[in-house]
Parts: sequence; structure tokens; C-alpha cells
Amino acid sequence: GAGVSQSPSNKVTEKGKDVELRCDPISGHTALYWYRQSLGQGLEFLIYFQGNSAPDKSGLPSDRFSAERTGGSVSTLTIQRTQQEDSAVYLCASSGQATNYGYTFGSGTRLTVV
Amino acid sequence: SQQGEEDPQALSIQEGENATMNCSYKTSINNLQWYRQNSGRGLVHLILIRSNEREKHSGRLRVTLDTSKKSSSLLITASRAADTASYFCATARNTGANSKLTFGKGITLSVRP
Repeated sequence: GAGVSQSPSNKVTEKGKDVELRCDPISGHTALYWYRQSLGQGLEFLIYFQGNSAPDKSGLPSDRFSAERTGGSVSTLTIQRTQQEDSAVYLCASSGQATNYGYTFGSGTRLTVV
Repeated sequence: SQQGEEDPQALSIQEGENATMNCSYKTSINNLQWYRQNSGRGLVHLILIRSNEREKHSGRLRVTLDTSKKSSSLLITASRAADTASYFCATARNTGANSKLTFGKGITLSVRP
């Protein structure tokens, strides 16, 4: 597509439930990144996929968080047994081979755990 | 951990004035990028400056990089009310075409009409 698409745009879930967040990157972009942003804070790196390489999972805060990228395109971030501190905006970005253009971000998923 | 630290945390100026925002970082980098965010949603890439560059321009934006001081500045000239947003610097340590960015906490810029 023309941009990075994330769904849902908003998600309210009860504490303890699992959630899945979806990211559809720009077609042809080999790298895909997940970040999260808590209210008034900067972006916290979560995970990074680059082509067929093993993903960099160094930012995942706990084993309740996991992500996969199927067929080198769409990615799903899964949070199991959600906690209130998981409430944040989850941002996905993708980038291509041209290095002058930085990341293209989606509009994010605002997750609220009640 | 945060690599970039922006300064000031918040800036309020009158339309037409210039806005200068600073960013410092701790480790060696391959490039530094500035992003803008409206309404707490997706970020928009503004400009990228490589470690071997000292200054770059794009429209009303001017970015400088001083690798000896590990700092960068973003200047927005002739500001407009529509420039009101949060601005983030981000650093890339690796030389690959795609590399993980580390973001600062951001600067909130308010431009009064």
C-alpha cells in the first residue's frame, strides 16, 4: 500500500486478556520495526525484523510479548495476559533500501488495558 | 535506554520566529534523524544527517551535527502555527541500509499565531 497500515487504531481490553496488533508495511520494505510510546514519553524499541534474518527481540519487555512477520510482509505483535502497564500507543514502522528517507510510521494502535 | 536527549523539553514561540531544538547522544552513530509527531500518533521523518556531514537543509529546516560534542540541532525558520508538534531526534548506530533507531523523549513545540 501507499503507507504503513496498523489495525486496530484503538483497542480496549480487560486485564489478563490477550491482544493482537497488526502492521502492514509499505510493499517492498525489507525492515519492519515495533515501538511503543507511553503518554508523554519517547519511543521505546520493541522488536525489529530485517529481511530473512533472525529478528532483534532485545526490546521486548517480557515473555508476554511476541511478534512475527509472515512472508516478509505483514507483522503481528501479540501481548498475552495484558497488564495495565501495557497501556500505550504501539507504533509500527518500515524502511527500505534507500537510506535517506528514514522510517515510515503507521498511525499506531492505542491500547488501553482496564 | 534513551540514546538521544532533546533540549529544551518544551518550547513556545511566536509565529514568524525561529525555533531551535537540540539533541545530545552518548555513543558513536552512523546517522541522526529528526522526526515530527502530531497528536501522539505516527511520526513523520523530517531529515537525516550522516556522521560525516556537518549541516543539511530542507526547506525551512536546517540541521547541524557536531560529532565531537555528540550533539545536533534542528532549526525551523519562520515558524508557522502548523509547526506545532512534538519533535524527536533518533540515532542509528549501524551502517546497514536499515538499522534500529533509538529515540529521545521529544520536544514539544508550540507556535502561537
